[in-house]
Amino acid sequence: TQLLEQSPQFLSIQEGENLTVYCNSSSVFSSLQWYRQEPGEGPVLLVTVVTGGEVKKLKRLTFQFGDARKDSSLHITAAQPGDTGLYLCAGDGTGKLIFGQGTELSVKP
Amino acid sequence: GAGVSQSPSNKVTEKGKDVELRCDPISGHTALYWYRQSLGQGLEFLIYFQGNSAPDKSGLPSDRFSAERTGGSVSTLTIQRTQQEDSAVYLCASSQSGTGLYGYTFGSGTRLTVV
Repeated sequence: TQLLEQSPQFLSIQEGENLTVYCNSSSVFSSLQWYRQEPGEGPVLLVTVVTGGEVKKLKRLTFQFGDARKDSSLHITAAQPGDTGLYLCAGDGTGKLIFGQGTELSVKP
Repeated sequence: GAGVSQSPSNKVTEKGKDVELRCDPISGHTALYWYRQSLGQGLEFLIYFQGNSAPDKSGLPSDRFSAERTGGSVSTLTIQRTQQEDSAVYLCASSQSGTGLYGYTFGSGTRLTVV
């Protein structure tokens, strides 16, 4: 069974701080995605990483796929209150995405 | 349509009743997925439809759960004899293909409360 473990589960920081969220597995994934979900809405795709070692940047967000394609990280620089939400990683597992349990991020002004 | 549409957005039902949840995916998307999400948690896979292939039902938690997809478009998730542990947000998503590379577009979900 493919599982994705996210850490930390909860993160409360002040505006302007940096943070990193981790997504780890013992399984290899052909691709990995990060989503952000706000209350009352479905998750929204942020990025897809495919190649081991790949780094993608989306404004203040930096995503990295591990060399062995078993883990990924999301780094946010100078967090803002608008970054508040549930961040989910998801791995491509035999035709459907396997999701981690999520990281609940709260950025206080 | 422009996005994935789910109805109803909220459903309160009595224990033991049957419920039907509807999902209208993005036009042209061949893959359709149902997930369940408990409060503040990750998504639990339920069932996956890809084109005309037999659906992947491996995530359905019991035989009280079933789903169908008519004409390769609209899907209905049915829960029979609802139990309190069925209370959750049920999310539907569609994708251009079944590989996951294109990402999923999710609906806003149906919040089911069993009382």
